[in-house]
Amino acid sequence: EAEVAQSPRYKITEKSQAVAFWCDPISGHATLYWYRQILGQGPELLVQFQDESVVDDSQLPKDRFSAERLKGVDSTLKIQPAELGDSAMYLCASSLVDRETQYFGPGTRLLVL
Amino acid sequence: GDSVTQMEGPVTLSEEAFLTINCTYTATGYPSLFWYVQYPGEGLQLLLKATKADDKGSNKGFEATYRKETTSFHLEKGSVQVSDSAVYFCALNYGGATNKLIFGTGTLLAVQP
Repeated sequence: EAEVAQSPRYKITEKSQAVAFWCDPISGHATLYWYRQILGQGPELLVQFQDESVVDDSQLPKDRFSAERLKGVDSTLKIQPAELGDSAMYLCASSLVDRETQYFGPGTRLLVL
Repeated sequence: GDSVTQMEGPVTLSEEAFLTINCTYTATGYPSLFWYVQYPGEGLQLLLKATKADDKGSNKGFEATYRKETTSFHLEKGSVQVSDSAVYFCALNYGGATNKLIFGTGTLLAVQP
């Protein structure tokens, strides 16, 4: 069964450092999503891509966060500089175009010290 | 705006007990509704979905019915197992170009043997 891949699974960093997360969606899924899940809360969308284009980044803190999907396949989410409040689970999901069902990867748990 | 409200947890049940987790939503249109499950340390797995009013989603003994008149999508299972212990998230989206999932805060279910 095809799955969304993410790496690393865990990341510990100090504040003011740069971190990057990688996601490889299910093959053939043109739409890719990055969500942030703070402990005890539901996930919230940070950015949505269709192919290589950003569809929605209204909740992405653009002063420190960036996301790219250069060839319309895998994607990288970067934080620079990291802050204590960025500690969370970062989830990647993918879906077929215009289909409502999203499939999630295992997530990257970030701890900022 | 659109939102999802879930009953607060934790919900603690004995094995083979009946489960209900309440979910209500506020929507400006006619969304699809979802239940996702998150096991400890893992990403989200789609449990079931319903795309229109009166639809019933079902999977692995769980079921939920899309009730437009009460704006609800309550999750039920007739006999829970220890392996069902997890966090359950209710969510909605509209599909189409901007397809973000809007999640509730999650309900922790703990099943005791």
